[in-house]
Amino acid sequence: GNSVTQMEGPVTLSEEAFLTINCTYTATGYPSLFWYVQYPGEGLQLLLKATKADDKGSNKGFEATYRKETTSFHLEKGSVQVSDSAVYFCAQTKNTNAGKSTFGDGTTLTVKP
Amino acid sequence: DTEVTQTPKHLVMGMTNKKSLKCEQHMGHRAMYWYKQKAKKPPELMFVYSYEKLSINESVPSRFSPECPNSSLLNLHLHALQPEDSALYLCASSQDGLAGYTGELFFGEGSRLTVL
Repeated sequence: GNSVTQMEGPVTLSEEAFLTINCTYTATGYPSLFWYVQYPGEGLQLLLKATKADDKGSNKGFEATYRKETTSFHLEKGSVQVSDSAVYFCAQTKNTNAGKSTFGDGTTLTVKP
Repeated sequence: DTEVTQTPKHLVMGMTNKKSLKCEQHMGHRAMYWYKQKAKKPPELMFVYSYEKLSINESVPSRFSPECPNSSLLNLHLHALQPEDSALYLCASSQDGLAGYTGELFFGEGSRLTVL
């Protein structure tokens, strides 16, 4: 079945450090891939997405590239800020009618000043 | 600002109470979802409504009863819950396949439920 595997956390970085959170997936066909972010006390919000192979999603300095050959969608940011502290979820969804999204377990990021 | 509004934000109820969670969206989305999220875990799908009809029920206990009165509203009726049902309940919406579905979910901020 479909699954998403994320790098285990928690991850603690100093401000302005480089961030990578690994995400790999298994799927039949070609799903859309997403990174969601959840700040403390809030719901999830979409950070970025990619709907086909080699697409790069980007937002707020974060980037991720849909790599079909390695079935990966790693999240990167060149210089993290304290305000980036949150839980990050990688997810996949089939490009069909409304249905199930498969989420990774989440990675907690803490950025220290 | 989230475009999916959930009320109440916090709810405390006893095991014999009946309460409801409410969700509203005005983005014209025709698919709406209920998720349950425990601390430090990913959201777990409970129900999906597509065009106001229940399309997915993930074997959720009958003490949770969803309702979709119209395309903008989604309710979750709660009755005889157990303490282990305490969690954050998230509502989400999306476009559906007939309207250019991309799989993106729009979440509300959630209703934090405590069952005593």
